[in-house]
Amino acid sequence: DTAVSQTPKYLVTQMGNDKSIKCEQNLGHDTMYWYKQDSKKFLKIMFSYNNKELIINETVPNRFSPKSPDKAHLNLHINSLELGDSAVYFCASSQEVFTNEQFFGPGTRLTVL
Amino acid sequence: LAKTTQPISMDSYEGQEVNITCSHNNIATNDYITWYQQFPSQGPRFIIQGYKTKVTNEVASLFIPADRKSSTLSLPRVSLSDTAVYYCLVGDNYGGATNKLIFGTGTLLAVQP
Repeated sequence: DTAVSQTPKYLVTQMGNDKSIKCEQNLGHDTMYWYKQDSKKFLKIMFSYNNKELIINETVPNRFSPKSPDKAHLNLHINSLELGDSAVYFCASSQEVFTNEQFFGPGTRLTVL
Repeated sequence: LAKTTQPISMDSYEGQEVNITCSHNNIATNDYITWYQQFPSQGPRFIIQGYKTKVTNEVASLFIPADRKSSTLSLPRVSLSDTAVYYCLVGDNYGGATNKLIFGTGTLLAVQP
Protein backbone atom coordinates (compact mmCIF):
# COMPACT_ATOMS: atom_id res chain seq x y z
CA ASP A 1 0.00 0.00 0.00
CA THR A 2 1.28 3.46 -0.91
CA ALA A 3 1.56 5.67 2.17
CA VAL A 4 1.24 9.02 0.39
CA SER A 5 -0.19 9.03 -3.11
CA GLN A 6 -0.65 11.82 -5.61
CA THR A 7 -2.61 12.02 -8.83
CA PRO A 8 -1.82 12.66 -11.55
CA LYS A 9 1.89 11.89 -11.81
CA TYR A 10 2.25 14.05 -14.90
CA LEU A 11 0.15 17.04 -15.87
CA VAL A 12 0.62 18.99 -19.10
CA THR A 13 -1.66 21.92 -19.70
CA GLN A 14 -1.99 25.28 -21.39
CA MET A 15 -1.49 28.68 -19.82
CA GLY A 16 -4.65 30.07 -18.30
CA ASN A 17 -6.20 26.71 -17.48
CA ASP A 18 -7.33 25.57 -14.02
CA LYS A 19 -6.07 22.26 -12.68
CA SER A 20 -6.07 20.22 -9.50
CA ILE A 21 -3.63 17.78 -7.95
CA LYS A 22 -4.94 15.28 -5.45
CA CYS A 23 -3.13 13.88 -2.44
CA GLU A 24 -4.12 11.12 -0.06
CA GLN A 25 -2.29 9.58 2.89
CA ASN A 26 -3.24 6.34 4.63
CA LEU A 27 -0.90 6.75 7.59
CA GLY A 28 -3.41 8.34 9.93
CA HIS A 29 -1.27 11.48 10.16
CA ASP A 30 -2.64 14.79 11.39
CA THR A 31 -0.50 17.11 9.28
CA MET A 32 -0.16 17.40 5.50
CA TYR A 33 1.98 19.63 3.33
CA TRP A 34 2.45 20.83 -0.21
CA TYR A 35 5.93 21.60 -1.56
CA LYS A 36 7.14 22.96 -4.88
CA GLN A 37 10.45 21.82 -6.39
CA ASP A 38 11.70 24.00 -9.20
CA SER A 39 14.03 23.18 -12.07
CA LYS A 40 17.06 23.88 -9.87
CA LYS A 41 15.80 21.28 -7.37
CA PHE A 42 15.07 23.84 -4.67
CA LEU A 43 12.29 22.61 -2.38
CA LYS A 44 9.94 25.21 -0.95
CA ILE A 45 6.96 24.72 1.29
CA MET A 46 3.68 26.14 0.06
CA PHE A 47 1.07 25.09 2.61
CA SER A 48 0.65 23.00 5.70
CA TYR A 49 -2.58 21.73 7.22
CA ASN A 50 -3.04 20.24 10.67
CA ASN A 51 -6.33 18.47 11.31
CA LYS A 52 -7.85 20.25 8.31
CA GLU A 53 -6.73 23.66 9.58
CA LEU A 54 -4.28 25.79 7.62
CA ILE A 55 -1.15 26.44 9.70
CA ILE A 56 1.43 27.50 7.12
CA ASN A 57 0.60 29.64 4.14
CA GLU A 58 3.76 30.81 2.46
CA THR A 59 3.93 33.70 0.04
CA VAL A 60 2.16 31.83 -2.67
CA PRO A 61 -0.04 33.49 -5.30
CA ASN A 62 -3.70 33.25 -4.39
CA ARG A 63 -4.18 31.32 -7.62
CA PHE A 64 -3.08 28.36 -5.52
CA SER A 65 -5.72 27.13 -3.12
CA PRO A 66 -5.37 24.05 -0.94
CA LYS A 67 -8.45 22.15 0.08
CA SER A 68 -8.63 19.56 2.84
CA PRO A 69 -11.94 17.68 2.84
CA ASP A 70 -10.69 15.43 5.64
CA LYS A 71 -7.49 14.58 7.50
CA ALA A 72 -6.41 12.07 4.88
CA HIS A 73 -6.66 14.38 1.89
CA LEU A 74 -5.05 17.65 0.89
CA ASN A 75 -5.74 18.70 -2.67
CA LEU A 76 -4.10 21.58 -4.52
CA HIS A 77 -6.13 23.63 -6.95
CA ILE A 78 -4.40 26.06 -9.29
CA ASN A 79 -6.24 28.75 -11.23
CA SER A 80 -5.06 30.59 -14.32
CA LEU A 81 -1.87 28.58 -14.73
CA GLU A 82 1.29 30.44 -15.73
CA LEU A 83 4.54 29.29 -17.30
CA GLY A 84 6.34 29.82 -14.00
CA ASP A 85 4.10 27.28 -12.30
CA SER A 86 5.92 24.50 -14.13
CA ALA A 87 7.61 22.41 -11.44
CA VAL A 88 7.30 19.19 -9.49
CA TYR A 89 4.78 19.40 -6.66
CA PHE A 90 5.16 17.11 -3.67
CA CYS A 91 2.59 16.28 -1.05
CA ALA A 92 3.77 15.06 2.36
CA SER A 93 2.36 14.11 5.72
CA SER A 94 3.60 13.78 9.29
CA GLN A 95 2.21 12.70 12.61
CA GLU A 96 2.96 16.06 14.23
CA VAL A 97 3.73 19.51 13.01
CA PHE A 98 7.41 20.19 12.23
CA THR A 99 8.97 17.89 14.79
CA ASN A 100 8.42 14.58 13.12
CA GLU A 101 9.51 12.89 9.97
CA GLN A 102 7.55 13.69 6.87
CA PHE A 103 6.48 11.09 4.35
CA PHE A 104 6.51 12.38 0.80
CA GLY A 105 4.44 11.37 -2.16
CA PRO A 106 6.00 10.53 -5.53
CA GLY A 107 5.44 14.02 -6.91
CA THR A 108 3.40 15.52 -9.74
CA ARG A 109 5.33 17.03 -12.62
CA LEU A 110 3.35 20.00 -13.91
CA THR A 111 4.25 21.44 -17.29
CA VAL A 112 2.53 24.61 -18.43
CA LEU A 113 2.80 25.35 -22.16
CA LEU B 1 15.16 35.75 5.21
CA ALA B 2 18.25 33.76 6.15
CA LYS B 3 19.05 30.92 3.83
CA THR B 4 19.80 27.37 4.81
CA THR B 5 22.88 26.58 2.78
CA GLN B 6 24.72 23.42 1.83
CA PRO B 7 27.62 22.58 -0.51
CA ILE B 8 26.31 22.05 -4.01
CA SER B 9 28.04 18.72 -4.52
CA MET B 10 30.42 16.22 -2.98
CA ASP B 11 32.32 13.25 -4.38
CA SER B 12 33.23 10.10 -2.52
CA TYR B 13 34.28 6.50 -3.03
CA GLU B 14 32.58 3.37 -1.84
CA GLY B 15 33.40 2.48 1.74
CA GLN B 16 34.30 6.01 2.82
CA GLU B 17 32.60 8.10 5.47
CA VAL B 18 30.88 11.20 4.12
CA ASN B 19 30.05 14.33 6.11
CA ILE B 20 27.62 16.86 4.67
CA THR B 21 27.18 20.18 6.44
CA CYS B 22 24.24 22.55 6.56
CA SER B 23 24.38 26.16 7.73
CA HIS B 24 21.25 27.55 9.40
CA ASN B 25 22.18 30.72 11.27
CA ASN B 26 18.61 31.77 12.16
CA ILE B 27 17.31 28.49 13.50
CA ALA B 28 14.43 29.00 15.94
CA THR B 29 14.68 27.84 19.54
CA ASN B 30 12.09 25.11 19.19
CA ASP B 31 13.06 23.95 15.71
CA TYR B 32 14.34 20.50 14.91
CA ILE B 33 16.89 19.72 12.23
CA THR B 34 15.91 17.00 9.80
CA TRP B 35 17.77 15.47 6.88
CA TYR B 36 16.26 13.93 3.78
CA GLN B 37 17.55 11.91 0.84
CA GLN B 38 16.13 12.28 -2.63
CA PHE B 39 16.65 10.04 -5.65
CA PRO B 40 15.75 11.21 -9.16
CA SER B 41 12.01 11.23 -9.87
CA GLN B 42 11.15 10.38 -6.27
CA GLY B 43 9.99 12.28 -3.23
CA PRO B 44 12.45 13.04 -0.43
CA ARG B 45 12.89 10.32 2.16
CA PHE B 46 13.54 10.88 5.86
CA ILE B 47 17.03 10.00 7.12
CA ILE B 48 17.45 11.42 10.60
CA GLN B 49 16.27 14.18 12.92
CA GLY B 50 17.79 15.89 15.93
CA TYR B 51 17.65 18.93 18.19
CA LYS B 52 21.13 19.16 19.70
CA THR B 53 24.36 17.22 20.28
CA LYS B 54 24.41 13.88 18.48
CA VAL B 55 21.81 11.50 17.15
CA THR B 56 22.54 8.13 15.56
CA ASN B 57 20.30 5.63 13.83
CA GLU B 58 20.91 2.60 11.67
CA VAL B 59 21.85 4.60 8.59
CA ALA B 60 23.41 7.89 9.70
CA SER B 61 24.57 10.18 12.47
CA LEU B 62 23.69 13.81 12.98
CA PHE B 63 26.03 16.18 14.78
CA ILE B 64 24.71 19.51 16.06
CA PRO B 65 26.99 21.96 17.90
CA ALA B 66 25.86 23.83 20.97
CA ASP B 67 24.93 27.01 19.08
CA ARG B 68 22.83 24.93 16.60
CA LYS B 69 23.77 27.25 13.75
CA SER B 70 24.93 24.32 11.67
CA SER B 71 24.57 20.58 11.49
CA THR B 72 26.51 17.72 9.92
CA LEU B 73 25.04 14.58 8.44
CA SER B 74 27.49 11.68 8.61
CA LEU B 75 27.05 8.64 6.36
CA PRO B 76 29.33 5.76 7.32
CA ARG B 77 30.81 3.56 4.60
CA VAL B 78 28.82 4.86 1.64
CA SER B 79 27.89 2.65 -1.27
CA LEU B 80 26.93 3.39 -4.87
CA SER B 81 23.27 3.38 -3.87
CA ASP B 82 23.87 6.39 -1.61
CA THR B 83 24.31 8.58 -4.68
CA ALA B 84 21.48 11.09 -4.25
CA VAL B 85 20.67 14.66 -3.25
CA TYR B 86 20.67 15.31 0.49
CA TYR B 87 18.64 18.13 2.03
CA CYS B 88 18.54 19.58 5.52
CA LEU B 89 15.24 20.99 6.77
CA VAL B 90 14.92 23.48 9.62
CA GLY B 91 12.59 26.19 10.79
CA ASP B 92 13.43 29.86 10.18
CA ASN B 93 13.00 32.46 12.89
CA TYR B 94 11.07 35.62 12.14
CA GLY B 95 11.21 36.64 15.77
CA GLY B 96 8.69 34.05 16.80
CA ALA B 97 5.88 35.50 14.76
CA THR B 98 5.60 32.77 12.21
CA ASN B 99 6.43 29.12 11.96
CA LYS B 100 8.43 28.34 8.86
CA LEU B 101 9.98 25.29 7.25
CA ILE B 102 13.07 25.93 5.14
CA PHE B 103 14.80 23.31 3.05
CA GLY B 104 18.50 23.65 2.44
CA THR B 105 19.83 24.12 -1.06
CA GLY B 106 20.66 20.44 -1.38
CA THR B 107 23.95 18.55 -1.80
CA LEU B 108 24.43 16.13 -4.65
CA LEU B 109 26.53 13.24 -3.35
CA ALA B 110 28.20 11.18 -6.06
CA VAL B 111 29.69 7.89 -4.89
CA GLN B 112 32.16 6.21 -7.21
CA PRO B 113 33.43 2.62 -7.19
